[in-house]
Amino acid sequence: DADVTQTPRNRITKTGKRIMLECSQTKGHDRMYWYRQDPGLGLRLIYYSFDVKDINKGEISDGYSVSRQAQAKFSLSLESAIPNQTALYFCATSDPRTRNNEQFFGPGTRLTVL
Amino acid sequence: GNSVTQMEGPVTLSEEAFLTINCTYTATGYPSLFWYVQYPGEGLQLLLKATKADDKGSNKGFEATYRKETTSFHLEKGSVQVSDSAVYFCALSGGGAQKLVFGQGTRLTINP
Repeated sequence: DADVTQTPRNRITKTGKRIMLECSQTKGHDRMYWYRQDPGLGLRLIYYSFDVKDINKGEISDGYSVSRQAQAKFSLSLESAIPNQTALYFCATSDPRTRNNEQFFGPGTRLTVL
Repeated sequence: GNSVTQMEGPVTLSEEAFLTINCTYTATGYPSLFWYVQYPGEGLQLLLKATKADDKGSNKGFEATYRKETTSFHLEKGSVQVSDSAVYFCALSGGGAQKLVFGQGTRLTINP
């Protein structure tokens, strides 16, 4: 089945370390997104990309960077992790041909920064 | 800007009870509306959607109607099951960039 995968699924790291979260998709979608989920806050958009040459900041991009290596791959980096970046991170994709922007989510990466 | 407000959780019901989770939104134009569900340890899955006013989305016994006059998209199910225990997110998509905006989520627990 066409799918969205994320690695790693769980990660514990220390303050100041550089961390990369990876997302791959086999859906053939052009659009990809990174969200973080915090209890009581829902999902908030960090970055999104509408194609390989297009990167856009979301509402909470400070402290994060992204790389769209190919249509199928979209990585999120924390250059110097801090404890308040402890959260559940989700990657998602969508097909621009569907006007309603239905998004398909990966299983999530649980990141803990000590 | 666009925003979504959901009823506060957590919600705890007994099996076979009637469920309503309220969702209201603020948006310019004519957004598409969604309910996503997150089962324990999993990512979000689309539960249902509606793309224009008065549309009713339905799936797995859940329903929601796009009400433009009240800017609402309440989720309902007539008889819940233990397997419906999950976190439910209301979301909208609108504007040129078609980004999804989520509500804060409502945790639902169904007791046998």
